[in-house]
Amino acid sequence: DAGVTQSPTHLIKTRGQQVTLRCSPKSGHDTVSWYQQALGQGPQFIFQYYEEEERQRGNFPDRFSGHQFPNYSSELNVNALLLGDSALYLCASSGGPGREQYFGPGTRLTVT
Amino acid sequence: GQQLNQSPQSMFIQEGEDVSMNCTSSSIFNTWLWYKQDPGEGPVLLIALYKAGELTSNGRLTAQFGITRKDSFLNISASIPSDVGIYFCAGQSGGGADGLTFGKGTHLIIQP
Repeated sequence: DAGVTQSPTHLIKTRGQQVTLRCSPKSGHDTVSWYQQALGQGPQFIFQYYEEEERQRGNFPDRFSGHQFPNYSSELNVNALLLGDSALYLCASSGGPGREQYFGPGTRLTVT
Repeated sequence: GQQLNQSPQSMFIQEGEDVSMNCTSSSIFNTWLWYKQDPGEGPVLLIALYKAGELTSNGRLTAQFGITRKDSFLNISASIPSDVGIYFCAGQSGGGADGLTFGKGTHLIIQP
């Protein structure tokens, strides 16, 4: 039974570029949440997707957008990258919006 | 963004000792969760708590949901080397606000 998977593992982008990160939820899960984790900090909630719609959003600008597909997988898009966007991006899935969240290994994004 | 107050920030203990850490918030949460994160990996769910006053165990780990719903505690008994890592508390408000709010983590270091 595969857990949450994310791709790519690492990514290096230049300031001003755009990036797309991908997440496949744990089998049987239909809800995906995205988090940003800066070095030495706890994860910060970006947004949650359920039934292909953004259900809740944290304190992140519109440069951060997402999508959920009919198979429950999800993408996180970040436009106009800033140096401060360098972080570990974590995807978590759950069997419903209020259920326990299980995290993937993350995508390490470096913006130069 | 908001983060929970988690303490201590780091702990240096001897193998075999018991460990205690806690998390406080100015807001009420309906669910408290504890995660462990190893370097380069995503957080792994250890214990989930759903009811004020609830005490739940998972092997050598015991966690409690505070009566005020604004705090939670995690204890680890008879620590072993593989307990090394960063422990995060997370609160979930529920009722449509299901994004997790995390603490900054407690870094556990065990000396053999």
